Amino acid sequence: EAGVAQSPRYKIIEKRQSVAFWCNPISGHATLYWYQQILGQGPKLLIQFQNNGVVDDSQLPKDRFSAERLKGVDSTLKIQPAKLEDSAVYLCASSPGREETQYFGPGTRLLVL
Amino acid sequence: AQKVTQAQTEISVVEKEDVTLDCVYETRDTTYYLFWYKQPPSGELVFLIRRNSFDEQNEISGRYSWNFQKSTSSFNFTITASQVVDSAVYFCALSEAGGGADGLTFGKGTHLIIQP
Repeated sequence: EAGVAQSPRYKIIEKRQSVAFWCNPISGHATLYWYQQILGQGPKLLIQFQNNGVVDDSQLPKDRFSAERLKGVDSTLKIQPAKLEDSAVYLCASSPGREETQYFGPGTRLLVL
Repeated sequence: AQKVTQAQTEISVVEKEDVTLDCVYETRDTTYYLFWYKQPPSGELVFLIRRNSFDEQNEISGRYSWNFQKSTSSFNFTITASQVVDSAVYFCALSEAGGGADGLTFGKGTHLIIQP
């Protein structure tokens, strides 16, 4: 069974530019999560989707971050405009449903200069 | 609010030694889940174990074992006869059940170094 796929794996941009990340969850997984992991810290939840609806986005900086999961499968996370402090690894995870084990993708490493 | 504390920032042991990684959690919910993940240098988080709050039985999987004690809000992880391949950052995490939102709250991680 294929795992969670993410692209790109690495991205370097300048501050104030825009960037988008893509995630394809494990087939059949209804729940999808985006986490931000700053160097030396544990991942922090940004947003949780159940199918194509948002369950929790309380920690998403909505003035610059947005995410969507239009058809309940793939998801994109966008940052516009990026700040230096957005440099981090962005991890996507999926689970068969709520309260089940989350499986993580390889992450996208973002560097904002 | 929920919180996970991993007080050990870094542990270094010699191969074949046993090592225990500590995890203490805080939650107001009576139903919750506890997890351990491994993050090797490649960066991908690898799932190790999931435990629900009603199951306090200790678990053993090969060289890995977990000790869950609700009385002390702890969920410790022991590696027996450590190997160099066990070198990684290990994260303890918590999710609360009910209400729909079940994103993980992670500790800061413990960097485990196994020296040959």
